[in-house]
Amino acid sequence: DTGVSQNPRHKITKRGQNVTFRCDPISEHNRLYWYRQTLGQGPEFLTYFQNEAQLEKSRLLSDRFSAERPKGSFSTLEIQRTEQGDSAMYLCASSSTGRGGDTQYFGPGTRLTVL
Amino acid sequence: GENVEQHPSTLSVQEGDSAVIKCTYSDSASNYFPWYKQELGKGPQLIIDIRSNVGEKKDQRIAVTLNKTAKHFSLHITETQPEDSAVYFCAASRGGSGGSNYKLTFGKGTLLTVNP
Repeated sequence: DTGVSQNPRHKITKRGQNVTFRCDPISEHNRLYWYRQTLGQGPEFLTYFQNEAQLEKSRLLSDRFSAERPKGSFSTLEIQRTEQGDSAMYLCASSSTGRGGDTQYFGPGTRLTVL
Repeated sequence: GENVEQHPSTLSVQEGDSAVIKCTYSDSASNYFPWYKQELGKGPQLIIDIRSNVGEKKDQRIAVTLNKTAKHFSLHITETQPEDSAVYFCAASRGGSGGSNYKLTFGKGTLLTVNP
């Protein structure tokens, strides 16, 4: 069990550029979540996958945001035409099904800074 | 939707003392309540969780209590150590019931400082 990994750990970009983050969940975890955390706040839910199906999207996820999990393993989160308000820590979590399946394990996050 | 309130926002204790953090939630259908510890620059780390069929759970120096009637739950840390210093978050989830898809709603966090 190597834990949830996220890449890159830090990303600095200019306003208007596109960025993509990657999340590798704990192996055999078929549920994957994305959250966003701004300074001094708790994480806020963005979207959720069960296997490759995206089952829920928060209204926080504007049309500039898109997430995929093409083979039910790793996931990517893309932000198009970044804005300064997108600056935050983007967290990925995963969980299994079955007993204890509501327990989510978080990765280290990707910190995005939009200049 | 669910709303989770967490208090206090900051807590300073002396090493060896106990620390208590309290949370309330609004959605009576929530049935899973985890606590996470987050150190600077790191992702949240699960430290303990409790489900609605249990009133109290303990793991060494950490305990969590749940009062479903009052819709509040608390984290208790005994014999605090400097390495306990971090931000602690409570969260609530419906655990998949009602189509909620297990998403967690977090409180705003408590910055715990343990002074040596």
